[in-house]
Amino acid sequence: GAVVSQHPSWVICKSGTSVKIECRSLDFQATTMFWYRQFPKQSLMLMATSNEGSKATYEQGVEKDKFLINHASLTLSTLTVTSAHPEDSSFYICSASQSYNEQFFGPGTRLTVL
Amino acid sequence: TQLLEQSPQFLSIQEGENLTVYCNSSSVFSSLQWYRQEPGEGPVLLVTVVTGGEVKKLKRLTFQFGDARKDSSLHITAAQPGDTGLYLCAGGGISNDYKLSFGAGTTVTVRA
Repeated sequence: GAVVSQHPSWVICKSGTSVKIECRSLDFQATTMFWYRQFPKQSLMLMATSNEGSKATYEQGVEKDKFLINHASLTLSTLTVTSAHPEDSSFYICSASQSYNEQFFGPGTRLTVL
Repeated sequence: TQLLEQSPQFLSIQEGENLTVYCNSSSVFSSLQWYRQEPGEGPVLLVTVVTGGEVKKLKRLTFQFGDARKDSSLHITAAQPGDTGLYLCAGGGISNDYKLSFGAGTTVTVRA
């Protein structure tokens, strides 16, 4: 149980284009989903918290107009990186939670912006 | 400044040796999780501890939660190359939401 999927697993795009990443909880309904960014050999950096049917809460320093989050249902959240630039290249990971105690992570999406 | 301090940052040992990773904070957590992450993949939950003084064992892995719920340790006995990875501790319950505060991680390399 507690399986979270992400799609795509990797994407390469040209500078200026937008990229959408999907996060799905496959076998449970997630009260809350989170989006993280991770740089090589570093820990996870929380970007935003997403609750179904409401606006996402962004962490300080994260541009909400650049990283659009939509949480359409209890099993699906999407992150759209708008007008991507090379500095947006990173490993993006989502997680889903049913309780205060645990988060279950997706396998991550490697974004490379040329 | 990280809420959770993990140490050491890097650990390289020979197969068969034991290792311990520490996770410390000045804050009290309602729960603490340990994750292992391999390159190019998402973190995988290993254990959740919620009670002060709690000890949990998962085969060769032993997890402890401090009495005051401010610190935790992960001990691996007779490490194997398959234990190689980034180990992350994460604390929950600081704020009234589902957020976790992550440590900086410990990169463990077990040499065959």
